[in-house]
Amino acid sequence: SQKIEQNSEALNIQEGKTATLTCNYTNYSPAYLQWYRQDPGRGPVFLLLIRENEKEKRKERLKVTFDTTLKQSLFHITASQPADSATYLCALDGDDKIIFGKGTRLHILP
Amino acid sequence: GAVVSQHPSWVICKSGTSVKIECRSLDFQATTMFWYRQFPKQSLMLMATSNEGSKATYEQGVEKDKFLINHASLTLSTLTVTSAHPEDSSFYICSAPRWVTDTQYFGPGTRLTVL
Repeated sequence: SQKIEQNSEALNIQEGKTATLTCNYTNYSPAYLQWYRQDPGRGPVFLLLIRENEKEKRKERLKVTFDTTLKQSLFHITASQPADSATYLCALDGDDKIIFGKGTRLHILP
Repeated sequence: GAVVSQHPSWVICKSGTSVKIECRSLDFQATTMFWYRQFPKQSLMLMATSNEGSKATYEQGVEKDKFLINHASLTLSTLTVTSAHPEDSSFYICSAPRWVTDTQYFGPGTRLTVL
């Protein structure tokens, strides 16, 4: 069956460290992967998109990798700050629509 | 960046009544908009794809007669929850894609509570 999984429901990281979130998928062949941030009671906000022919993408303190062999994307936040605490969603294009993972709730501890 | 608004941001209604939620793209035209529902600690579940000038496409298991979608213009889509019941209480979010950049811009969401 087709699945998109974010392996941690919640993750606690000490301030200043790098937070790494994982997104794995099964039985999809996405042309791209997206990462979103969602704060409680708010709609998701687009952060980064990485295409299948790109290995890595960066935006300020954010870095995303995409390994089509492992069927995995990693999302890194370097020098993490308490303000980075939120739920992070990965999404991919599958079956003519965007499919979302359940998200990882990230807590940056001061 | 692109902005999508939703109105209202929250609504409380009695069981059996209908509720209309508006989704607007403020600085770009959207021939397509998506409607999602999100239950607590769950992922976004696509309900339907709203197409300007034509009928919406509903996902499997979503009742089209209960969740009426109208996409009357290039900047406005509406979702009407008809004869709402407590199990319809959820967070409803719309989004509008910018195909050129393969990104979606989400509205802030509407919290519906049916008593």
